[in-house]
Amino acid sequence: AQSVAQPEDQVNVAEGNPLTVKCTYSVSGNPYLFWYVQYPNRGLQFLLKYITGDNLVKGSYGFEAEFNKSQTSFHLKKPSALVSDSALYFCAVRAGNFGNEKLTFGTGTRLTIIP
Amino acid sequence: NAGVMQNPRHLVRRRGQEARLRCSPMKGHSHVYWYRQLPEEGLKFMVYLQKENIIDESGMPKERFSAEFPKEGPSILRIQQVVRGDSAAYFCASSRGHNEQFFGPGTRLTVL
Repeated sequence: AQSVAQPEDQVNVAEGNPLTVKCTYSVSGNPYLFWYVQYPNRGLQFLLKYITGDNLVKGSYGFEAEFNKSQTSFHLKKPSALVSDSALYFCAVRAGNFGNEKLTFGTGTRLTIIP
Repeated sequence: NAGVMQNPRHLVRRRGQEARLRCSPMKGHSHVYWYRQLPEEGLKFMVYLQKENIIDESGMPKERFSAEFPKEGPSILRIQQVVRGDSAAYFCASSRGHNEQFFGPGTRLTVL
């Protein structure tokens, strides 16, 4: 079985400050990890992924995430938050074995950037 | 390059009617996935299809729900005899397989 936990329903950050959105996962075998962002009444937009290689991955809009195998975490980060970053963020995981394409999502973290 | 297309964007049905949701994958993508999102919740996997084949339907309710991805045309998610509990946003995603999935804008189904 595979699962994702996003422990914070809501994160508030002042504009210009660094932000972190937390994610931990559980999966059998090697994990494939993803972050998506959802704006109101819209679909999910892909931000970044970790498949293999460097533990720090960089994605769209200045976001990055760090894969930590020992802590089974994949936290999303950005050095300086923008008001336009306010949205709902989802972490997702699937096992890396071929044939398993099912993504399991966390419950989401609502990020609010305060001007 | 157009993204994943879904229609209709909004669908209203009365209890007992049928709902048909359509999804056209991105150009070059042969893998389609359907997810359901209830209010204030994350997305739940329903079904994974490749052309003319259902690969994984472990998230599909056993009754009233079916999905297809024919050789020609869009993927269809069909819900027969809808009930109020079927009200949700239904998202389609596509990929080239074993890569990131790209999502459509969703169909918001309301059952009266």
